[in-house]
Amino acid sequence: SQKIEQNSEALNIQEGKTATLTCNYTNYSPAYLQWYRQDPGRGPVFLLLIRENEKEKRKERLKVTFDTTLKQSLFHITASQPADSATYLCAPNTDKLIFGTGTRLQVFP
Amino acid sequence: DAGVIQSPRHEVTEMGQEVTLRCKLISGHNSLFWYRQTMMRGLELLIYFNNNVPIDDSGMPEDRFSAKMPNASFSTLKIQPSEPRDSAVYFCASSLGPAEGYNEQFFGPGTRLTVL
Repeated sequence: SQKIEQNSEALNIQEGKTATLTCNYTNYSPAYLQWYRQDPGRGPVFLLLIRENEKEKRKERLKVTFDTTLKQSLFHITASQPADSATYLCAPNTDKLIFGTGTRLQVFP
Repeated sequence: DAGVIQSPRHEVTEMGQEVTLRCKLISGHNSLFWYRQTMMRGLELLIYFNNNVPIDDSGMPEDRFSAKMPNASFSTLKIQPSEPRDSAVYFCASSLGPAEGYNEQFFGPGTRLTVL
């Protein structure tokens, strides 16, 4: 069955460092992959979309990579800030989005 | 634009009662998604509509769940009868195009359902 794996444990990093979150998927070949941010008590908010023919996508301090051979996407936040603390969800897509369970990021001063 | 609107924001009910959740799409969007989120299972797609037509309802847990789109801008998700295991946060999301296209989804604030 289709499966998405994100680090279930929280990622704690110091302000100013680069945070790297991992998304691995198995048993399907998504045409693209989306990343969302979710804050407590709120719905997910779209951040970035990367297509299967794109190796890397950037938006301000965010960078996403997509390796279809490894079946993996990496999500990087450079110069992290306490305001970046949230849960980040990856969502590979074939005919619909399937969301991972998310990784909680905590950036401390 | 006000974004996706969901009501109620919180619902507490007793087992066996009927629950109706409501969602208003962003104007101009033609795809509607209902999700359920729990700690154990994460964010699960229940049903997806495109142009008011149900496209994929494979995530609907059982016959107790039903969803409708009576018009292009409004949807309901009904649970009858409700059970304690239905307790979760239910999200509605809309997008400008179909799920298989390169379309971001816009989520509502969610309805937190508690079934006692």
